[in-house]
Amino acid sequence: GDSVTQMEGPVTLSEEAFLTINCTYTATGYPSLFWYVQYPGEGLQLLLKATKADDKGSNKGFEATYRKETTSFHLEKGSVQVSDSAVYFCALRANTGNQFYFGTGTSLTVIP
Amino acid sequence: DTAVSQTPKYLVTQMGNDKSIKCEQNLGHDTMYWYKQDSKKFLKIMFSYNNKELIINETVPNRFSPKSPDKAHLNLHINSLELGDSAVYFCASSLGQHNSPLHFGNGTRLTVT
Repeated sequence: GDSVTQMEGPVTLSEEAFLTINCTYTATGYPSLFWYVQYPGEGLQLLLKATKADDKGSNKGFEATYRKETTSFHLEKGSVQVSDSAVYFCALRANTGNQFYFGTGTSLTVIP
Repeated sequence: DTAVSQTPKYLVTQMGNDKSIKCEQNLGHDTMYWYKQDSKKFLKIMFSYNNKELIINETVPNRFSPKSPDKAHLNLHINSLELGDSAVYFCASSLGQHNSPLHFGNGTRLTVT
């Protein structure tokens, strides 16, 4: 069945460091891929998405590219800020049906 | 504001009680979901409704009963609450297209004592 495997955390970085959170998926066909961010005490917010191979999603300095050949959707940011401290979830939606599959979440802490 | 809103935000109750969580979305979406998030932040799908019809019903104790009076509302009723039910419950909604994301509410933190 469909699934998402996400890099385990927690991840601790200094401000202005480069961030990569790895995400790989298993799915038939061409799923849509998403990154969500959850700040403390809040719900999940859509950070970015990509809906077909080679698409790049980007938002707030974060980027992720849909790589069909490696079944990956790694999240990157060139220079993290303290305000980026949150839990990040990779997710996919199969190309049929209404089911979403989430990774286990990666906690990021950015220290000044 | 257009959003997914759920109430209450916090719910503290004793074992054995029955409680409900309400969810409403004004985004015009046709599919709504309930997720449970445990203390390790793991998200587990519980139920999903599409236009008031149950389409996803994961392995959840039958003490949990969803109800969708219309496609903008999906409520969750829990009978005979147990300590293990303590978690954050998220309502979410989406459109039917496969490229449409989930939109989440802010969650209900349920604590069973």
